[in-house]
Amino acid sequence: DAKTTQPNSMESNEEEPVHLPCNHSTISGTDYIHWYRQLPSQGPEYVIHGLTSNVNNRMASLAIAEDRKSSTLILHRATLRDAAVYYCILCNTGKLIFGQGTTLQVKP
Amino acid sequence: EAQVTQNPRYLITVTGKKLTVTCSQNMNHEYMSWYRQDPGLGLRQIYYSMNVEVTDKGDVPEGYKVSRKEKRNFPLILESPSPNQTSLYFCASSQTSGRTDTQYFGPGTRLTVL
Repeated sequence: DAKTTQPNSMESNEEEPVHLPCNHSTISGTDYIHWYRQLPSQGPEYVIHGLTSNVNNRMASLAIAEDRKSSTLILHRATLRDAAVYYCILCNTGKLIFGQGTTLQVKP
Repeated sequence: EAQVTQNPRYLITVTGKKLTVTCSQNMNHEYMSWYRQDPGLGLRQIYYSMNVEVTDKGDVPEGYKVSRKEKRNFPLILESPSPNQTSLYFCASSQTSGRTDTQYFGPGTRLTVL
């Protein structure tokens, strides 16, 4: 299974945009890029996914590099509630392989 | 409300005492799975089920059993729990096992085996 690499932690100020990077240089042509996040004391929750084109939803935007070897999750205005561990996952079947993720701290 | 429920949420037990953690989803999903989460190891899949009566091992199945007799339920069974099974457990479900399907996770069950 292809692996992803994310920074261990990032900090942001409240109401500022946050760009969470993910490298996946061994991605295959059929892998979808999924992002999940895990709020403290909760189960992971889906954020967004994409294949080649950039994607937007009510939670975030996903920017995918043209060669698909990296992607960036964009939170347009971070709130305190966005403090969580963010996982970038390559998905080719129903099985999600979680890495260590990026712990995002949001400062008021 | 669409959700995955797990019971119990917290459990302390002793070595060798059989236990079952229940998981139920109300979304008519075909695919269900169990993960365990441990510090430094992240979330790892224990077992999964593609549909009723179809189950298969994930990455860390030793010491666990599952069954899928009904579409909505996917219990995790520990026949003889040991301390190394102390962990945080999550059940998840999705419409199918497709690459674009969103997985919905339960709130977690924190298990301590003494």
